[in-house]
Amino acid sequence: DGGITQSPKYLFRKEGQNVTLSCEQNLNHDAMYWYRQDPGQGLRLIYYSQIVNDFQKGDIAEGYSVSREKKESFPLTVTSAQKNPTAFYLCASSDAGTSGRLGAEQYFGPGTRLTVT
Amino acid sequence: EDKVVQSPLSLVVHEGDTVTLNCSYEVTNFRSLLWYKQEKKAPTFLFMLTSSGIEKKSGRLSSILDKKELSSILNITATQTGDSAIYLCAVEETSYGKLTFGQGTILTVHP
Repeated sequence: DGGITQSPKYLFRKEGQNVTLSCEQNLNHDAMYWYRQDPGQGLRLIYYSQIVNDFQKGDIAEGYSVSREKKESFPLTVTSAQKNPTAFYLCASSDAGTSGRLGAEQYFGPGTRLTVT
Repeated sequence: EDKVVQSPLSLVVHEGDTVTLNCSYEVTNFRSLLWYKQEKKAPTFLFMLTSSGIEKKSGRLSSILDKKELSSILNITATQTGDSAIYLCAVEETSYGKLTFGQGTILTVHP
């Protein structure tokens, strides 16, 4: 079955530790995205990548890092520099399709809930 | 700064009621507006609207875009408990598929 997987579902870390969230897709999509969701704030874009070995900062990139070494994988590292890392993290992907437009319809993974104490 | 605002933030109705959710936006280079439904984890796509005044429909759900008013509404008729979810509105800019999301509307449908 085609889709996006994120692991783990729940993650607990101590303050000061870096943590990496996994995102894999087998949809053959070119673009991948990371969002953070906090209660009452909708989704906020952290980083996105349109092609392998290239990525751009979103609206709230500080304290996060990403890599895109393979088309199907886009891991997100939450570093100790992120001041308020406890949140629900969603990964998404999109395809240019026949329109040639990336991102118009994004497919989301099930999310990872990160708690840092 | 680009902005997408949804209202109301939460809504509680009974089965059979009709609801209207609102989304207004201020973005520099508008291309399309999208609606998503988020039940537990992953948001799922509902509609994409690009042209003003053309209604998109899927079963009991429908949506329309008003480019003059920079807004969109999502209507759900004859609501069911399975419609309980967070409904997210997002606006796509012309540059590389970046989506700006609103805060979401939490809809609760009681039996």
